[in-house]
Amino acid sequence: ETGVTQTPRHLVMGMTNKKSLKCEQHLGHNAMYWYKQSAKKPLELMFVYNFKEQTENNSVPSRFSPECPNSSHLFLHLHTLQPEDSALYLCASSGTPRTDTQYFGPGTRLTVL
Amino acid sequence: QKEVEQDPGPLSVPEGAIVSLNCTYSNSAFQYFMWYRQYSRKGPELLMYTYSSGNKEDGRFTAQVDKSSKYISLFIRDSQPSDSATYLCAMSENSGNTPLVFGKGTRLSVIA
Repeated sequence: ETGVTQTPRHLVMGMTNKKSLKCEQHLGHNAMYWYKQSAKKPLELMFVYNFKEQTENNSVPSRFSPECPNSSHLFLHLHTLQPEDSALYLCASSGTPRTDTQYFGPGTRLTVL
Repeated sequence: QKEVEQDPGPLSVPEGAIVSLNCTYSNSAFQYFMWYRQYSRKGPELLMYTYSSGNKEDGRFTAQVDKSSKYISLFIRDSQPSDSATYLCAMSENSGNTPLVFGKGTRLSVIA
């Protein structure tokens, strides 16, 4: 079973709600990622954190706000989302800075009404 | 032109068939190539990892990279119903925590 866990697994929210997605990795990795997976589209990288510092933000709208309190935990805070934000949100982690092997969590299936 | 092209399928084959999954790419700087398998309602899991050109075999799976043609393949021998999943190719330019560029994924069904 994966060393990356995500909660909740399913989330339904209205456009005015505020919710948070949580990711935890038990692999001792230093880098963590948020991806968005929509039907018939490639995985879209949203944010990259390395040693708790954000190193990449791929022009993600400000209604998505990441937080990385330590190397094992990653959050994605959501507010005033749009229906087109409905997707599978995947968290991943990778090891030392010299590896590209990313390990994914099971994802949170988000539906915005 | 998209950076990584992958036929989304769906691809349906009988049990025992040899399956060939492919991706093409445009960035000649890509050096690291991966195949991920994603079962329904699960996150992607790393299946194969290769560096530069050549072949890599792991059980029933063989990954091939042809950098001159910018073409990578995943072959599955003696396919099983448990191989039914979406297969995503991914690649990156260099080592380090370099974000991967993914294909859209090919949905495979192996029929018993």
